[in-house]
Amino acid sequence: DIVMTQSPDSLAVSLGERATINCKSSQSVLYSSNNKNYLAWYQQKPGQPPKLLIYWASIRESGVPDRFSASGSGTDFTLTISSLQAEDVAVYFCQQYYSSPLTFGGGTKVAIE
Amino acid sequence: QVQLQESGPGLVKPSETLSLTCTVSGYSISSGFYWGWLRQPPGKGLEWIGTIYHSGSTYYNPSLKSRVTISVDTSKNHFSLRLNSVTAADTAVYYCARVVRSMVYDAFDIWGPGTMVTVSS
Repeated sequence: DIVMTQSPDSLAVSLGERATINCKSSQSVLYSSNNKNYLAWYQQKPGQPPKLLIYWASIRESGVPDRFSASGSGTDFTLTISSLQAEDVAVYFCQQYYSSPLTFGGGTKVAIE
Repeated sequence: QVQLQESGPGLVKPSETLSLTCTVSGYSISSGFYWGWLRQPPGKGLEWIGTIYHSGSTYYNPSLKSRVTISVDTSKNHFSLRLNSVTAADTAVYYCARVVRSMVYDAFDIWGPGTMVTVSS
């Protein structure tokens, strides 16, 4: 199984400041034949299901604000919230879909400082 | 728009079978897409249980494969999860979700609200 490790477990950021979340996979999720990273990011607010933010490691899902961006390749990935808003308080998960079983990171809780 | 809704008992006794149904509205399952079940123990991360196509083809997490059956009923536009021989470790919020593209293994773009299932005598 591909193990997804997120860091930090939690972080507190002031409103308007940048939040950065890291995700590391135990093996590469880059598929060489199409040069795509099989990596997604989700946002989960309390009492709600996860919401897909990013797929193919860097492509924003329709309707996701452009303050959310993501980058990385191979085994190391980053989700950045450029200017934290109150509504961004949530837990963020990464997920690999390179191989079965699909696996998720443990989550990073983002709070307001 | 496409909506998913889980339904089923919220309490299951140890060693018995957990059964849930996901009803899809706003889209016909038989038109395509893969559909999945996932779960999240309280305060913990997400675990993929398995995925099904409208044809009935199934793909399971090997860690649960011996206990899981996912099925689809296109006439009722729903798909179902059965997990047998449950223990307290199966206590979780169970989600059904749609796979975002026509790939078996992919992200999930539309989720049901989730249903809490507690395993307890």
